[in-house]
Amino acid sequence: DIVMTQSPLSLPVTPGEPASMSCRSSQSLLNSNGKTYLNWYLQKPGQSPQLLIHLGSNRASGVPERFSGRGSGTDFTLKISKVETEDVGIYYCMQGLQTPWTFGQGTKVEIK
Amino acid sequence: DVQLVESGGGLVQPGGSLRLSCEGSGFTFSAYWMTWVRQAPGKGLEWVANIKYDGSEKYYVDSVKGRFTISRDNAYNSLYLQVNSLRAEDTAVYYCAASNYGPEYWGQGTLVTVSS
Repeated sequence: DIVMTQSPLSLPVTPGEPASMSCRSSQSLLNSNGKTYLNWYLQKPGQSPQLLIHLGSNRASGVPERFSGRGSGTDFTLKISKVETEDVGIYYCMQGLQTPWTFGQGTKVEIK
Repeated sequence: DVQLVESGGGLVQPGGSLRLSCEGSGFTFSAYWMTWVRQAPGKGLEWVANIKYDGSEKYYVDSVKGRFTISRDNAYNSLYLQVNSLRAEDTAVYYCAASNYGPEYWGQGTLVTVSS
């Protein structure tokens, strides 16, 4: 199984400031079709998860431009250019390259 | 608007069974792989099962193989999860999701509690 490791597990942020978090996979998520099967999700308190980024760097429909995903192979980063208070919650990365699909442990983002 | 609505959760004794349902609307249900993901209380997300557009392929996490069965009925835009031989560790909120390279649209979840 592919193991997904996120860091940090807790991220205090200041509104208006940038923030970033990391996700590493135990093997490359690059498929032979050229696509990288890495997604980012945000689970706000009391809500279902929502897709932010798919295929490593593609923002999902309706996701604000302040969210960006980058990386390749086994190392990935989610960046928020200017944090807003509504961005608090737990951020998960997930690999969809092979079953079992696996999630990272999550990075909990809180306002300082 | 895309909607996925789960139902069928509840309190069940160890060894018991439930059938979870998920009805989709606002998107072309038959064009998506469908997925079940669960979340134990206070824990992270765990992928449970996938089913292909036409039901011809199904995949499960090892911990549920032989106990859970995923199915779908595209005529009714519905996804199902038959959960048998339930254990305490199956206690979780079960989310259905429409997947494209991974879960894209999520339902609100249905809680399954396994306890005597």
